[in-house]
Amino acid sequence: AQSVTQPDIHITVSEGASLELRCNYSYGATPYLFWYVQSPGQGLQLLLKYFSGDTLVQGIKGFEAEFKRSQSSFNLRKPSVHWSDAAEYFCAVGAKEYGNKLVFGAGTILRVKS
Amino acid sequence: DADVTQTPRNRITKTGKRIMLECSQTKGHDRMYWYRQDPGLGLRLIYYSFDVKDINKGEISDGYSVSRQAQAKFSLSLESAIPNQTALYFCATSEGGSSYNEQFFGPGTRLTVL
Repeated sequence: AQSVTQPDIHITVSEGASLELRCNYSYGATPYLFWYVQSPGQGLQLLLKYFSGDTLVQGIKGFEAEFKRSQSSFNLRKPSVHWSDAAEYFCAVGAKEYGNKLVFGAGTILRVKS
Repeated sequence: DADVTQTPRNRITKTGKRIMLECSQTKGHDRMYWYRQDPGLGLRLIYYSFDVKDINKGEISDGYSVSRQAQAKFSLSLESAIPNQTALYFCATSEGGSSYNEQFFGPGTRLTVL
């Protein structure tokens, strides 16, 4: 069955430290990959997306993500976290095998320590 | 003004009651979606509509129905609410042409069924 896995339910990092949030998907075709962020009390906002081309993509708010086909992964990174980055982050995958719809991971809640 | 609005923002109701959640958008998008979010499960697709005459079931449509009254309006109904429908509900929109265009989310409706 199709699945999108975010292994970490919660992550806590210190302000100024680097961040990596993991995302893996379960099948072999080239997917369309997304990271969304949900701030408390708000809807989801797109951070970045990958469709094709350069496997390292840049997004808003200083985030980047790298597509690694061999690992079926699309991990989100940020070199220096700010307190305002505290939120829930969702990886989403779209593909023909998923019925041409987005499938979301369970989310990772990021806490930032000052 | 927000591009995607949802009403109500919060609702508490009792088992067996009929509930309607409404979504309106000013983005001019053809495609609209209803998701529910549960802790640890991410977002799951309930129904989606690619235009006014097109309605499709998503992953978890049982117990729900929808109406696309106009391009800008997409309502979700719970005909007879049950406690396990307690969740955060999101409406989203996207441009037509591709299933993987960015989705724009409303702020969510928190529904509690007692």
